[in-house]
Amino acid sequence: EVQLVESGGDLVQPGRSLRLSCAASGFTFDAYAMHWVRQAPGKGLEWVSGISWISDSRGYADSVKGRFTISRDNAKNSLYLQMDSLRPEDTAFYYCVKSPARIASAGAVDYWGRGTLVIVSS
Amino acid sequence: DVVMTQSPLSLSVTLGQPASISCRSSQSLVYSGDGNTYLNWFQQRPGQSPRRLTYKVSNRDSGVPDRFSGSGSGTDFTLKISRVEAEDVGIYYCMQGTNWPYTFGQGTKLEIK
Repeated sequence: EVQLVESGGDLVQPGRSLRLSCAASGFTFDAYAMHWVRQAPGKGLEWVSGISWISDSRGYADSVKGRFTISRDNAKNSLYLQMDSLRPEDTAFYYCVKSPARIASAGAVDYWGRGTLVIVSS
Repeated sequence: DVVMTQSPLSLSVTLGQPASISCRSSQSLVYSGDGNTYLNWFQQRPGQSPRRLTYKVSNRDSGVPDRFSGSGSGTDFTLKISRVEAEDVGIYYCMQGTNWPYTFGQGTKLEIK
């Protein structure tokens, strides 16, 4: 059974940093691209970032480009999102999401974690 | 970016009756790399994370009841529920995975009348 467990969400002040982690199990982690998708409370879904199976390709939404960095450690079956210069509009549930493909730029997504809540507020 | 437009944004349906949600993309979702159309439908029940219902337009995920069906091509797609049940309450999203950045529709809220 595919399991994706996010952690690292917290209340943080604007301008500060936070690192999210996702522990994956139940599938061959290093064979698939991975993504982060967020959802502000009561709002819709927004793709944030994606990374290919061997980290040779990474993509970001314009809203986070230059501030967020996606990475993965295939040896640890883990996905990360380093979030710098956080803004109040970054407040959301952040979901770790698996791709059915090796590349991140096409193929969409399949399995989702339960999410971790990031609140950016003074 | 590809804009995904869903309609209606809310739906109130009597139990046992059909429901239909439309999703239109601002450009073709046929991926030039392999000819596939990466259009997914997701269901998000209250308090839960999204669950994929269909992929590549019309392929139903394992465990998804056969009352759910996806159809369409190019830029015009539809999710149909043949007979709505109480457990279908939630928000439904279409998503394109053909072009970066991936984009979602606004969501359609389904409630029981």
